[in-house]
Amino acid sequence: QVQLQESGPGLVRPSGTLSLTCTVSGASITNNLYYWSWLRQAPGKGLEWIGTIYYSGPTYYNPPLKSRLTLSMDTSKNQFSLKLTSVTAADTAVYYCGRHNPEPYSGYDPLDYWGQGAPVTVSS
Amino acid sequence: DIQLTQSPSFLSASIGDRVTITCRASQDITTYFAWYQQKPGKAPKVLIYGASTLLSGVPSRFSGSGSGTEFTLTISSLQPDDFATYYCQHLNNYPRTFGQGTKVEIK
Repeated sequence: QVQLQESGPGLVRPSGTLSLTCTVSGASITNNLYYWSWLRQAPGKGLEWIGTIYYSGPTYYNPPLKSRLTLSMDTSKNQFSLKLTSVTAADTAVYYCGRHNPEPYSGYDPLDYWGQGAPVTVSS
Repeated sequence: DIQLTQSPSFLSASIGDRVTITCRASQDITTYFAWYQQKPGKAPKVLIYGASTLLSGVPSRFSGSGSGTEFTLTISSLQPDDFATYYCQHLNNYPRTFGQGTKVEIK
């Protein structure tokens, strides 16, 4: 069974760096069938796509976040990570990681597995 | 970038009601489109992909339709478990975007 679990600090100081890791079990992040995304949801707000990383391919970033954002993978730990610099209160949100797998979905690639979400507050 | 306009943002309905949520894309995305359901404190779950294909296990009272720029999620007979927030998302290219969400509450 595929499981994703976000981890990282729940509190980040303004102007600091937000770092989160998604640990995947039940699927290998190096399997080229899959690719992996980060999303977030500010309190009381809707879903925002942050970025998507492919093991053997490009990484895509949400343009408003691109200058502050880095997505990476640690294949030895079957994890992928997010790093967001120069954070402000506007970055306060629940951060989700998720998996795309087009194969069962006729080539469409919805997020079929999600982590439970990691709340992050940006505050001094 | 593709923008998605979802309506209504809030919907009050009774058990057994037929409910329709609409999402409009700013450009043609054929059927590269999905609907998600989110309950409070939980991660979203995909209900429909390819605009109209139900994920295995999703009740048949849910249906999706549309292509191009206009998409609809219909719940034929609202059940207690359906009270949640629903989001549309395009799967056409990057950046991926979501609609603003529709919160379905009990009347």
